[in-house]
Amino acid sequence: LAKTTQPVSMDSYEGQEVNITCSHNNIATNDYITWYQQFPSQGPRFIIQGYKTKVTNEVASLFIPADRKSSTLSLPRVSLSDTAVYYCLVQNAGKSTFGDGTTLTVKP
Amino acid sequence: EAGVVQSPRYKIIEKKQPVAFWCNPISGHNTLYWYLQNLGQGPELLIRYENEEAVDDSQLPKDRFSAERLKGVDSTLKIQPAELGDSAVYLCASSLYGEGSNEQFFGPGTRLTVL
Repeated sequence: LAKTTQPVSMDSYEGQEVNITCSHNNIATNDYITWYQQFPSQGPRFIIQGYKTKVTNEVASLFIPADRKSSTLSLPRVSLSDTAVYYCLVQNAGKSTFGDGTTLTVKP
Repeated sequence: EAGVVQSPRYKIIEKKQPVAFWCNPISGHNTLYWYLQNLGQGPELLIRYENEEAVDDSQLPKDRFSAERLKGVDSTLKIQPAELGDSAVYLCASSLYGEGSNEQFFGPGTRLTVL
């Protein structure tokens, strides 16, 4: 599976839109891109998954360009409770590999 | 619907002692994962089951770690003997196997401290 690279940390303020970009240069044709969120003392929680173009759900959007070598998780109008670690994964059926994630800190 | 259940939530043992973790996945999920997570790092896969079969155990230190998934439901991960470096959070996750989309549902984890 392709290795993913994402920023170690990001800061934002309440009410702002946050975009976290992940690179996955060696993504394969059958791979999906998945994002998870993890709070302290909890297991990761699924946020969103996509294959190409744009996917939107009630909490986030995922933008994937045509070459699929990167993806961007967009969190609209973040709040303090969005402070967490965000992981980008390349996933194929049951196979996936977590990186070290991006620690997002939302400030008042 | 109940989520993934893990027990115990916390465990403190002396080095060289054995320890076991238990996981009950979401009903109907045929894929079960055990991960190890060190502080400040992402989860690292130890073993993945599809039903009763361990389909990926390449990262499991087999000299001291063992796992089983009887009847394709509950699973137990064991360490014997534990070492200081095994202190970490052990996460269990389950999913419904399918092409591409495999949303993993995680339990709260077991925090192991080896003294």
